Amino acid sequence: DGGITQSPKYLFRKEGQNVTLSCEQNLNHDAMYWYRQDPGQGLRLIYYSQIVNDFQKGDIAEGYSVSREKKESFPLTVTSAQKNPTAFYLCASSLDNWGINTEAFFGQGTRLTVV
Amino acid sequence: GNSVTQMEGPVTLSEEAFLTINCTYTATGYPSLFWYVQYPGEGLQLLLKATKADDKGSNKGFEATYRKETTSFHLEKGSVQVSDSAVYFCALLTDSWGKFQFGAGTQVVVTP
Repeated sequence: DGGITQSPKYLFRKEGQNVTLSCEQNLNHDAMYWYRQDPGQGLRLIYYSQIVNDFQKGDIAEGYSVSREKKESFPLTVTSAQKNPTAFYLCASSLDNWGINTEAFFGQGTRLTVV
Repeated sequence: GNSVTQMEGPVTLSEEAFLTINCTYTATGYPSLFWYVQYPGEGLQLLLKATKADDKGSNKGFEATYRKETTSFHLEKGSVQVSDSAVYFCALLTDSWGKFQFGAGTQVVVTP
């Protein structure tokens, strides 16, 4: 079955450490996105990628980095520069990011906790 | 810039009550509009969508009509169930913006 897989589901990080969240999709989608969700708040865009080897900053990119070496994969690294990384992270993909008939498909999320 | 505004929650209802969640938007161009639902601890699932003015999206008893004149896309369901308890997000996508814009989400709690 086609879909988006995020791993791990739960992740604990010590302060000062970098961690990488995985996102893989087998939907053959061009566009991929990373969102952060905090309790009682909506989704805030961290980074997005329209095509392989290209990505753009979203609204809250500071302290995060991404890569898009393969169409299927869009890993997110939470660096030590991110001052408040504890949150629920959601990865999404869409067929393209401007077609009117597209929609976003989401993974199950990764809950990151700094200990 | 583009934005989506949703009514604040939580919205608490009894089973079989009528549900309305208001959503209004600001956008350049001609956006597509979406409603997503999120159950506890999970990702978002597409509930319904509409791609042009006066279109009505519907799914699982939920409906929303794309009103360009009032820039709104209100979600409705005639008779809610306990299983409808979730967080609902309104979202838009425009070709001039190039990415999805989500509202803050509205938590709905349905009691037996």
